[in-house]
Amino acid sequence: DSGVTQTPKHLITATGQRVTLRCSPRSGDLSVYWYQQSLDQGLQFLIQYYNGEERAKGNILERFSAQQFPDLHSELNLSSLELGDSALYFCASSEVPVPDTQYFGPGTRLTVL
Amino acid sequence: AQTVTQSQPEMSVQEAETVTLSCTYDTSENNYYLFWYKQPPSRQMILVIRQEAYKQQNATENRFSVNFQKAAKSFSLKISDSQLGDTAMYFCAFTYKAAGNKLTFGGGTRVLVKP
Repeated sequence: DSGVTQTPKHLITATGQRVTLRCSPRSGDLSVYWYQQSLDQGLQFLIQYYNGEERAKGNILERFSAQQFPDLHSELNLSSLELGDSALYFCASSEVPVPDTQYFGPGTRLTVL
Repeated sequence: AQTVTQSQPEMSVQEAETVTLSCTYDTSENNYYLFWYKQPPSRQMILVIRQEAYKQQNATENRFSVNFQKAAKSFSLKISDSQLGDTAMYFCAFTYKAAGNKLTFGGGTRVLVKP
């Protein structure tokens, strides 16, 4: 158990819908990262937050947004869902936003029908 | 752009034997970290080992060790005394100071340990 929690574990929804994925970092970690793992794109970095502020952005679609709240949990919002958004979404956390070990949550499997 | 390449899509090894996974990366950075993560069938991403680029000594964690060749930009993982529980996808990953710790992953190597 990495200490990073993600809910829900599985999510099945229809095209055009909007979903929210939630992540709680390890105790003491201030930085949160979101990654997408899909069959065709592999593991890709989406976005990073540190202590409530956005620090880095990767290949995140405009339909996707995220935020980190004062209690340090983070949410990833996916809207106008398409079939291609079906993937495993991981949240990871680290103590600081500089090169350091990231600990991954169990992931949320999103299926868009 | 920083890239990470794992040239072996799949490898198999007999239980108790040794297997080596290769990883190469491309970067002009000097201050960077390299990682190997394991993803078993449960899909959980588990840290196996990490290496700081400024350290010359190769990292070791129990049965797992790396061969870090900085000049060649190579970072291979050796699994000794392979166990059935080592069956998983293994991902090589890279991050550097200016990237703020975002990870760039290789495509993965599937390892199957046979009894």
